[in-house]
Amino acid sequence: DAGVTQSPTHLIKTRGQQVTLRCSPKSGHDTVSWYQQALGQGPQFIFQYYEEEERQRGNFPDRFSGHQFPNYSSELNVNALLLGDSALYLCASSLGTGALATEAFFGQGTRLTVV
Amino acid sequence: GQQVMQIPQYQHVQEGEDFTTYCNSSTTLSNIQWYKQRPGGHPVFLIQLVKSGEVKKQKRLTFQFGEAKKNSSLHITATQTTDVGTYFCAEIYNFNKFYFGSGTKLNVKP
Repeated sequence: DAGVTQSPTHLIKTRGQQVTLRCSPKSGHDTVSWYQQALGQGPQFIFQYYEEEERQRGNFPDRFSGHQFPNYSSELNVNALLLGDSALYLCASSLGTGALATEAFFGQGTRLTVV
Repeated sequence: GQQVMQIPQYQHVQEGEDFTTYCNSSTTLSNIQWYKQRPGGHPVFLIQLVKSGEVKKQKRLTFQFGEAKKNSSLHITATQTTDVGTYFCAEIYNFNKFYFGSGTKLNVKP
């Protein structure tokens, strides 16, 4: 049973470029959340996808967008990259029951460096 | 969303000493989860607390949820080098939205 998988593991981009990160949730999970974790900080919630729609969003600009596919996998897109976007991007999957929250299973993350 | 504050930010202990991290909120929490992130790794779920005054134990780890559901703590008895990492509390709201505290980084000297 595969857990949450993310690709790529590392990425270097130039300021102003665009990037796409990918996530496959744990088998049986239908909800995918994305987090940005700067060095020494806790994960910051970017947004959450359920049933192919963005359901919730954190305090991130519109440069951050996403998508969820019918197989529940998800993409995070960041446009017009800034140096401050350099961080570990974590994907977490859970079961969207709408009731008591289930635990979040995290992927290993994508380390994005913007130069 | 609400905010949870974690203290201390860092803790250095000698192996065998105890360790405690605290998670505080100015408002009532519906529930709280604890995660551990090893250096270079990703957060891994430890426990979820839901009830007022709840206490749960996992071997040397003891988790508490305050009576007013505004604070929580994680206590590790007799730390080991395998306990090294950053411990996060996470508030869950809107059913499945997680707000993570800033974490407490634990270093254990052998």
